[in-house]
Amino acid sequence: DGGITQSPKYLFRKEGQNVTLSCEQNLNHDAMYWYRQDPGQGLRLIYYSQIVNDFQKGDIAEGYSVSREKKESFPLTVTSAQKNPTAFYLCASTVAGGYEQYFGPGTRLTVT
Amino acid sequence: QQQVKQSPQSLIVQKGGISIINCAYENTAFDYFPWYQQFPGKGPALLIAIRPDVSEKKEGRFTISFNKSAKQFSLHIMDSQPGDSATYFCAASNLVGYSTLTFGKGTMLLVSP
Repeated sequence: DGGITQSPKYLFRKEGQNVTLSCEQNLNHDAMYWYRQDPGQGLRLIYYSQIVNDFQKGDIAEGYSVSREKKESFPLTVTSAQKNPTAFYLCASTVAGGYEQYFGPGTRLTVT
Repeated sequence: QQQVKQSPQSLIVQKGGISIINCAYENTAFDYFPWYQQFPGKGPALLIAIRPDVSEKKEGRFTISFNKSAKQFSLHIMDSQPGDSATYFCAASNLVGYSTLTFGKGTMLLVSP
């Protein structure tokens, strides 16, 4: 089945640790996105990538980093510099020039 | 900053009633307006979308109404069902190049049986 997978579904980390969230898609989509979702805040764009080996900052990139070494993979690292990392993280993708974004099931990160 | 303002934050509707969610935008360059539906613990899924060349689009029980002069668009859910209970997000983008979506803050809809 084609789609976007995010793993793990739940992730727990201690404050001060970096953590990497996985996002894989087998839709052959060119563009991939990372969003953060907090209650009552909607979806806020962290980073996006339109092509392999290239990515751009979104609205709230501070404290996050990404890589895009393969078309199908777009991992997000939440660094210790992110002041409030506990949130629901969503990955999405779309075809080149397309506009319908397909979302993964999300990863809920809890940092204590 | 480009914004999309969504209201209400939450909505309770009786089964069989009409649910109405409104959004307003500022950027006149926006030319694509989708609505996403999200169930708890899941990722959002595209529900319906409209381009500004039409004033209304209907898909089953879901209708988008679009008012270009007022820079507003709304989602109407006819004959609302308990299974429609979810969070709804409006969004907007400019399709020139690889424009990113700007999302509203969401509306939590509860359809009571």
